[in-house]
Amino acid sequence: EIVLTQSPATLSVSPGERGTLSCRASQSVSSNLAWYQQKPGQAPRLLIYGASTRATGIPARFSGSGSGTEFTLTISSLQSEDSAIYYCQQYVNWPPLTFGGGTKVEIK
Amino acid sequence: QVQLVESGGGVVQPGRSLRLSCVSSGFTFSSYGMHWVRQAPGKGLEWVAVIWYDGSNENYVDSVKGRFTISRDNSKNALYLQMNSLRAEDTAVYYCARDVAPAAIGSFEYWGQGTPVTVSS
Repeated sequence: EIVLTQSPATLSVSPGERGTLSCRASQSVSSNLAWYQQKPGQAPRLLIYGASTRATGIPARFSGSGSGTEFTLTISSLQSEDSAIYYCQQYVNWPPLTFGGGTKVEIK
Repeated sequence: QVQLVESGGGVVQPGRSLRLSCVSSGFTFSSYGMHWVRQAPGKGLEWVAVIWYDGSNENYVDSVKGRFTISRDNSKNALYLQMNSLRAEDTAVYYCARDVAPAAIGSFEYWGQGTPVTVSS
């Protein structure tokens, strides 16, 4: 089973600042990695798949990069509505499909 | 637009059974792999099961193998999860989710609103 480790656990940033979230895989997942945003009481929303492809309707301030075992989700200019928990997920080696433990983004 | 609507959740005693349903609309259901993903209270996301677009194959996380069965009825645009021998650790919100691409297993582009399952005596 591929384990995904996300860091930091919590990211506290001011509006307009850049936010950088990391996801490390226990073995290579190539580019088979997705990112999701989940707000309280809501279902997750797909942001990025294929490590760097934005899903339909996702603002350009969200970008993904990386391959192999190291991945980054960057939010270029954080807005108040970006306050949420962000999860990464791999889909190269399954079952099981696995998620990281999440990074909570707080807006100061 | 794509919609996924789950139902069937509730409170059930340990050892009992529950059947979840997910009805879809707005896309060609029979072209996509479908998943169940769960989230225990205050915890992260856990993938539970997948069924191929044509129902030809299914896979499960180890913790539910032999107890849960995923199925689909493409004529009704419906996905199901039969959950038997339920345990307290199965308590979670259960989401159905659709793959990004047809006939591919990967990431989850669309999600339902979730249905809560509580296993408690």
